[in-house]
Amino acid sequence: EPEVTQTPSHQVTQMGQEVILRCVPISNHLYFYWYRQILGQKVEFLVSFYNNEISEKSEIFDDQFSVERPDGSNFTLKIRSTKLEDSAMYFCASRKEVEGNQPQHFGDGTRLSIL
Amino acid sequence: DAKTTQPPSMDCAEGRAANLPCNHSTISGNEYVYWYRQIHSQGPQYIIHGLKNNETNEMASLIITEDRKSSTLILPHATLRDTAVYYCIVRVATGGTSYGKLTFGQGTILTVHP
Repeated sequence: EPEVTQTPSHQVTQMGQEVILRCVPISNHLYFYWYRQILGQKVEFLVSFYNNEISEKSEIFDDQFSVERPDGSNFTLKIRSTKLEDSAMYFCASRKEVEGNQPQHFGDGTRLSIL
Repeated sequence: DAKTTQPPSMDCAEGRAANLPCNHSTISGNEYVYWYRQIHSQGPQYIIHGLKNNETNEMASLIITEDRKSSTLILPHATLRDTAVYYCIVRVATGGTSYGKLTFGQGTILTVHP
């Protein structure tokens, strides 16, 4: 069964450094998402992306964050200058439809640790 | 999207049915009920969703009350591997100004014991 894959599984970065988290969505999916989960807290929406544009973003997704689909398969989340509070699990998700009720499917996440 | 209320935790014996309730009394007519689970900090795993009819797939059954104000996820024969946090989420179908974001609550921690 096709799945969303994320790399790396664990990323350790010094505060202030840039980090890029990578996702390969399911191949025929059109809509892409990033979520994060700080340890012990709820899964939080960051951004949705369709047709090479951000369609919705949360207040967490400030100017330090950006997303890109650099080619036909990858979907990346970049944090420009990481802060300690960016330490979290980051989950990528994708869904097939542009419109409708079909569910999102999630990857197993990247654990980001900021030192 | 409508808010949901779930019990913080539940227990279930292995092999028995696990019935997880969810209250969504403010649900509107075009909102779907989705269930996901998260096993030990893995990514949320989709289980099932529905609008108003009961639904069944290979993982679970979803029973939605006639007034749609609550629903129950049923795992018919729970195993130890079903121990997870279960999330009930309501949202409208994607389209127009709805882009499909999911709003997660705290969910129900289901512990399946031998």
